[in-house]
Amino acid sequence: NAGVTQTPKFQVLKTGQSMTLQCAQDMNHNSMYWYRQDPGMGLRLIYYSASEGTTDKGEVPNGYNVSRLNKREFSLRLESAAPSQTSVYFCASSSTPGQLAGVPYEQYFGPGTRLTVT
Amino acid sequence: RKEVEQDPGPFNVPEGATVAFNCTYSNSASQSFFWYRQDCRKEPKLLMSVYSSGNEDGRFTAQLNRASQYISLLIRDSKLSDSATYLCVAKDLDSNYQLIWGAGTKLIIKP
Repeated sequence: NAGVTQTPKFQVLKTGQSMTLQCAQDMNHNSMYWYRQDPGMGLRLIYYSASEGTTDKGEVPNGYNVSRLNKREFSLRLESAAPSQTSVYFCASSSTPGQLAGVPYEQYFGPGTRLTVT
Repeated sequence: RKEVEQDPGPFNVPEGATVAFNCTYSNSASQSFFWYRQDCRKEPKLLMSVYSSGNEDGRFTAQLNRASQYISLLIRDSKLSDSATYLCVAKDLDSNYQLIWGAGTKLIIKP
């Protein structure tokens, strides 16, 4: 049981290059998320997928696209990387948040991808 | 923008001491609260949920003060392994999926 896995762990891109960050979970979770973490700031949600076949924008979606390939996999694509996208990217998954009282289930995170755009 | 504010620290605390830190949230409609722990260059992991009545998990106690809009985390008998960054998280009533994350409080336990 690997939990949430992400590839690659590290990446350096030049401005304008594209890349896809891969994420997979083996916990049979319905919901998956992509966050970025920058120094001095809280995690910020880029996109999320409430369930297979759906994706929604989070707080900072500009410059990113996502694909929920199947229940296990959720990828994040940078079409034309910019230095402002230098960050640590985390993928997470959770069970479907409960409806009663709106309490979300625990989010499980992958180990992160450290991306530098020069 | 809805916010969760934390003192970034670091809090330098001798082993065995008790340490407490707070976080404040701006949205009075925030409904649920959590503390996550993040070790250096690692991913966040859930430490505990915060209930209205307060809750305790071993050496850790979390409290919620809705009137003043803050959450606290108390760590008793601190261990070297408690050194980490503690992230305060709030969930609003209007979204099941979008959590509001604080930037974290760094804790260093010294021998």
